[in-house]
Amino acid sequence: RKEVEQDPGPFNVPEGATVAFNCTYSNSASQSFFWYRQDCRKEPKLLMSVYSSGNEDGRFTAQLNRASQYISLLIRDSKLSDSATYLCVVNNWVGSARQLTFGSGTQLTVLP
Amino acid sequence: DAGITQSPRHKVTETGTPVTLRCHQTENHRYMYWYRQDPGHGLRLIHYSYGVKDTDKGEVSDGYSVSRSKTEDFLLTLESATSSQTSVYFCAIRGTGSRNEQYFGPGTRLTVT
Repeated sequence: RKEVEQDPGPFNVPEGATVAFNCTYSNSASQSFFWYRQDCRKEPKLLMSVYSSGNEDGRFTAQLNRASQYISLLIRDSKLSDSATYLCVVNNWVGSARQLTFGSGTQLTVLP
Repeated sequence: DAGITQSPRHKVTETGTPVTLRCHQTENHRYMYWYRQDPGHGLRLIHYSYGVKDTDKGEVSDGYSVSRSKTEDFLLTLESATSSQTSVYFCAIRGTGSRNEQYFGPGTRLTVT
């Protein structure tokens, strides 16, 4: 079982739609959580951290359910510029070091 | 912009040749990381550094070595490149927050023929 699992998609949605991505993680001791965005042939960029109480940044809402080991990202009013791959990322202790574990990503295409 | 550059940005090399990739940062970050990204896999950690001359292995370190003689530079070396090391390599730094947020360089696309 992968440590961080995501539905690879692709998700093809019209402009203005609401779309949700889900992610599950296997390590119940995971400490912090993130969503990154990666455009084609570019580096991953931090989109937002995910906090236990849920958090919002403009059109983006992230939720964390520690009991179910589940993270979600909701994008409202999708824009063409939201087309990208979204990476679910979990921070764990590995020995004495903190390390990030990345999901394989969910591909989103927003259609005009 | 996290002030990270990587060189070269693209490289084609032959099996068995040594290859060194460079990561350079301008903001004096202590932690630096090397990842590789392959289709169907998430980014996987190769090696990381927690200070000058302080490095440790990640998940996929076999066939790779690293060095950090200055805070700003973190080098990744493939001693004898193999076709399985064809990949996109990303360098990252740990930001100043407490949650281990990391910020990535633009990547190096390496092809081993």
